[in-house]
Amino acid sequence: EPEVTQTPSHQVTQMGQEVILRCVPISNHLYFYWYRQILGQKVEFLVSFYNNEISEKSEIFDDQFSVERPDGSNFTLKIRSTKLEDSAMYFCASSGTVLNQPQHFGDGTRLSIL
Amino acid sequence: EDQVTQSPEALRLQEGESSSLNCSYTVSGLRGLFWYRQDPGKGPEFLFTLYSAGEEKEKERLKATLTKKESFLHITAPKPEDSATYLCAVLSNNDMRFGAGTRLTVKP
Repeated sequence: EPEVTQTPSHQVTQMGQEVILRCVPISNHLYFYWYRQILGQKVEFLVSFYNNEISEKSEIFDDQFSVERPDGSNFTLKIRSTKLEDSAMYFCASSGTVLNQPQHFGDGTRLSIL
Repeated sequence: EDQVTQSPEALRLQEGESSSLNCSYTVSGLRGLFWYRQDPGKGPEFLFTLYSAGEEKEKERLKATLTKKESFLHITAPKPEDSATYLCAVLSNNDMRFGAGTRLTVKP
């Protein structure tokens, strides 16, 4: 069964550094998403991406964050100048050809900021 | 403001003891309600989508129902392998909003 894959599974970064989280969505999906889950808290929406541009973003997704689809298979989340509070699990998801189809999630990248 | 509330926060059942999990929501422009299962250290695993009040979906021991204000995930005769956190998420005009989840433990 097709799945969303995320790399790395765990990323440790010094505060103030930039980090790039990578995702390979399911191949025929058109909608892509990033979420984060701080330990013990809810899964929170960050951004959705369709047709090579951001379609929605939350208040969390400020100028520190950016997303890119650099080629036909990868979808990345860049976090500039990381802060301690950016420590969380970051999940990538993708969904099919219509907006309200189910989103399928990867197993996440655990980001630890020191 | 859009809100999704799940109850109970935690539920402990004996194997075979049926129960229900609740997800109540207030959103503008419901596009769909989704149930996911999340195991520790893993991403949410899709279970069901419900789009309109009165709709029901069923898979093995799980059945999801939807009204205009809430959804229920019924679990019939659960087994220990059903132990997980069950997440409800609502897709509205703006974004996908998750509840805090119900942590289900099924004891043999």
